[in-house]
Amino acid sequence: KQEVTQIPAALSVPEGENLVLNCSFTDSAIYNLQWFRQDPGKGLTSLLLIQSSQREQTSGRLNASLDKSSGRSTLYIAVSQPGDSATYLCAVRPISNTGKLIFGQGTTLQVKP
Amino acid sequence: EPEVTQTPSHQVTQMGQEVILRCVPISNHLYFYWYRQILGQKVEFLVSFYNNEISEKSEIFDDQFSVERPDGSNFTLKIRSTKLEDSAMYFCASRVGTSGSQETQYFGPGTRLLVL
Repeated sequence: KQEVTQIPAALSVPEGENLVLNCSFTDSAIYNLQWFRQDPGKGLTSLLLIQSSQREQTSGRLNASLDKSSGRSTLYIAVSQPGDSATYLCAVRPISNTGKLIFGQGTTLQVKP
Repeated sequence: EPEVTQTPSHQVTQMGQEVILRCVPISNHLYFYWYRQILGQKVEFLVSFYNNEISEKSEIFDDQFSVERPDGSNFTLKIRSTKLEDSAMYFCASRVGTSGSQETQYFGPGTRLLVL
């Protein structure tokens, strides 16, 4: 059964720091991996999707990497800003036709001014 | 930019009552999902829907739950007889298709359901 784990559960950094959020999954048979942002009490905003054949995806200050064989993904945030404060969720799509996502518990990031 | 919408944003109901949560997916999307998030817990998959039928459901999605796409735009989740443990945020999601960036799932803002 696929399990997704995110470490750390919470992170507090001063503004301007570069930081890395980690995601690990137990079954490497995935179709893709998606990173989301969730603000308190709100929905999920898609940040990046990495296909299983890709190693990296970039969007602005965000860079996500995928090492499928070791069951790991990282989300790198460059030059963090207070507006980046949110919970970041990682979700894997197992190889199946239905497309369901299996989520980690998230990393709650606080960027202090 | 097109987005997934959900109504109502909040719903309070009594245990045993029926609730219908509504979603309008992005218009050209073909695959639809319901997820839920109990407060402080992970987002959990409930059901996927394609071509007017359920393609997969989780063990949570028992006989009390049903989904419907009554017309070309709406996608609903019905809970027939709510229980206290159904209290959660319910998210609808949709995606276009099956290759590349079309795989991205877009989520609605959620409906917070409270069962008393």
